[in-house]
Amino acid sequence: AQKITQTQPGMFVQEKEAVTLDCTYDTSDQSYGLFWYKQPSSGEMIFLIYQGSYDEQNATEGRYSLNFQKARKSANLVISASQLGDSAMYFCAMREWAGSSNTGKLIFGQGTTLQVKP
Amino acid sequence: NAGVTQTPKFRVLKTGQSMTLLCAQDMNHEYMYWYRQDPGMGLRLIHYSVGEGTTAKGEVPDGYNVSRLKKQNFLLGLESAAPSQTSVYFCASTPPSKGWTEAFFGQGTRLTVV
Repeated sequence: AQKITQTQPGMFVQEKEAVTLDCTYDTSDQSYGLFWYKQPSSGEMIFLIYQGSYDEQNATEGRYSLNFQKARKSANLVISASQLGDSAMYFCAMREWAGSSNTGKLIFGQGTTLQVKP
Repeated sequence: NAGVTQTPKFRVLKTGQSMTLLCAQDMNHEYMYWYRQDPGMGLRLIHYSVGEGTTAKGEVPDGYNVSRLKKQNFLLGLESAAPSQTSVYFCASTPPSKGWTEAFFGQGTRLTVV
């Protein structure tokens, strides 16, 4: 069964430093997609970054990058130059590709709470 | 664009009461989903729809019903609310035409069943 694991319930980082949030996944499919979402205290789910299983380059979006290691089945989120506004819960999610019967369902990890210290 | 809009944002129900959560999207997306979020468990899929008039069960469908009579709306119903359904509910939509690389969420509905 597909599964996403985020082993860090909580993380601290000093402002302006980089931080890595871990995500490992389990799937037998060759084709899948990996997402990271940010959930601030206000509660909404904010899309950060996407990585496809066949993408050769690691995805980047501004200060966010995804360290994709396919053989290790890991998709860690790297936030560079942390800001106080980065304090939030972060979720890793996976979408499996089922070809013509794809449903687009997402499987989520348990989340990691990040606190940025001034 | 409004994106994905959920109504209401907050609700308190008594055990046994019924209610309907509305999700509306203005992006013409074919696929829509209802998830629930509980502490320490991430988001779990309740029901989903791959198009107008179609619905299917997700991971935790018991106690919920859904309908998709119009492409832009996806309704989640609780016929007889139970305290175990206290949760934050999220609606999401996806356009398959974008290669499944996007998924947009509503702002969430915080439901408390007492």
